[in-house]
Amino acid sequence: DAKTTQPPSMDCAEGRAANLPCNHSTISGNEYVYWYRQIHSQGPQYIIHGLKNNETNEMASLIITEDRKSSTLILPHATLRDTAVYYCIVLRGKLQFGAGTQVVVTP
Amino acid sequence: EAGVVQSPRYKIIEKKQPVAFWCNPISGHNTLYWYRQNLGQGPELLIRYENEEAVDDSQLPKDRFSAERLKGVDSTLKIQPAELGDSAVYLCASSPRGLEEETQYFGPGTRLLVL
Repeated sequence: DAKTTQPPSMDCAEGRAANLPCNHSTISGNEYVYWYRQIHSQGPQYIIHGLKNNETNEMASLIITEDRKSSTLILPHATLRDTAVYYCIVLRGKLQFGAGTQVVVTP
Repeated sequence: EAGVVQSPRYKIIEKKQPVAFWCNPISGHNTLYWYRQNLGQGPELLIRYENEEAVDDSQLPKDRFSAERLKGVDSTLKIQPAELGDSAVYLCASSPRGLEEETQYFGPGTRLLVL
């Protein structure tokens, strides 16, 4: 399995950038890195994905290291509604969710 | 556009009773997934359908779990008989064509409590 390692929890101040790290040292060259998040009592929600290049969309930015062994999800201006569990997933045939990072955005 | 619809949202049953969950995917999505999420863990795939065909049911406990998607649209997941360890959130997701890199869209889930 192309497993990922994420910190179990992080706090972030509202309005500041949240940088969520993820290690995936066993990733293969053609495997994508995906990020989903899950707000309490809701289903997971897609955020962003990437292969080698950095990616940005309206929700977040994804920075992947040159060796692809780690990545960082950046929420540029965290709001209270960004409080959720964030999952970093290396896609190998199907989504395999780990425990994720519980992010709490505080006022 | 309506999202993935699941019902019921909550279900409480006694052990050994049967239970069924229903899912209606996003219109036009050919691929449907059922996941189970235990407390404090990420979702785990139970079964994946391409239209009406189950193409990956390797993680579905077949002794008590069954699923169907008869017309390739909505789907039902059943547990009979339920055990205490089946208490979890059951999530349904869909994607347009089931390609590996496609985004999956999740419903809100059904929270099951077995007493």
